[in-house]
Amino acid sequence: DQQVKQNSPSLSVQEGRISILNCDYTNSMFDYFLWYKKYPAEGPTFLISISSIKDKNEDGRFTVFLNKSAKHLSLHIVPSQPGDSAVYFCAASGGGTGNQFYFGTGTSLTVIP
Amino acid sequence: DGGITQSPKYLFRKEGQNVTLSCEQNLNHDAMYWYRQDPGQGLRLIYYSQIVNDFQKGDIAEGYSVSREKKESFPLTVTSAQKNPTAFYLCASSPLTEPRTEAFFGQGTRLTVV
Repeated sequence: DQQVKQNSPSLSVQEGRISILNCDYTNSMFDYFLWYKKYPAEGPTFLISISSIKDKNEDGRFTVFLNKSAKHLSLHIVPSQPGDSAVYFCAASGGGTGNQFYFGTGTSLTVIP
Repeated sequence: DGGITQSPKYLFRKEGQNVTLSCEQNLNHDAMYWYRQDPGQGLRLIYYSQIVNDFQKGDIAEGYSVSREKKESFPLTVTSAQKNPTAFYLCASSPLTEPRTEAFFGQGTRLTVV
C-alpha cells in the first residue's frame, strides 16, 4: 500500500513561471518530509526538506509547504528554469516507521523555454 | 570526496544466476538502504540496515539478500529467486541523528537479465 502518493505523473510549465508539485501521504506518524530531483540513470539528489513542526521551508527558488491536517505537501519552484526539467520525488520518514524513507512515484517536470 | 559509490554502473546477468551489487560509503553514516526503481513505480525499499550485522526487510525483499559486515559496505545480492530482476538499483545512506537529515544516494546500477 503506497503511503506516499504523487498523483500527477507529469507537469509542463513555461520558463519563468511557477511550478507546483504535489504530494499526499497517509501515515500520520511521518514527521520529516523531503523532495528529491532525479535525472535518468542517475541517483536522486536532495533538494529541500521540512520537519512536521514547520509548515513552510524556503531555499532559494524552492519552497516546500506542509499541511499536516490534509496530509499534503507541495514543492514550489519560482521562477522555473529549463534546467529544472527532471523527475521529482517526495519522500517521508519518521515516527513509528523507524528510519525508513518512503517515496512517491515521482512527477516528471518539463520546463519549456 | 565523501559519498556513496555503487558498482558496476551496468550489469548483465543470465537467468538463473545470482549477482551481487556493491555499495560503499565514506560518509560515516549508520544507516544504509537499497531501493529498486521501475518505470512508474517510484523507489521501493528492498532492505535497510541501521547498524553493522543487522538489517531489516523492506517492502520487496523477496529474492534479495544483503549483508552488513562493515559500516561502510552494504552489498545486495539478487538471487535467482527474484522473478523480475531487471531494474535500476539505488543504494543510499543516512546518519541517524536528531533532527533528521536527508539520505544520500549513489549513482545507481542498471541490472539487465539476458
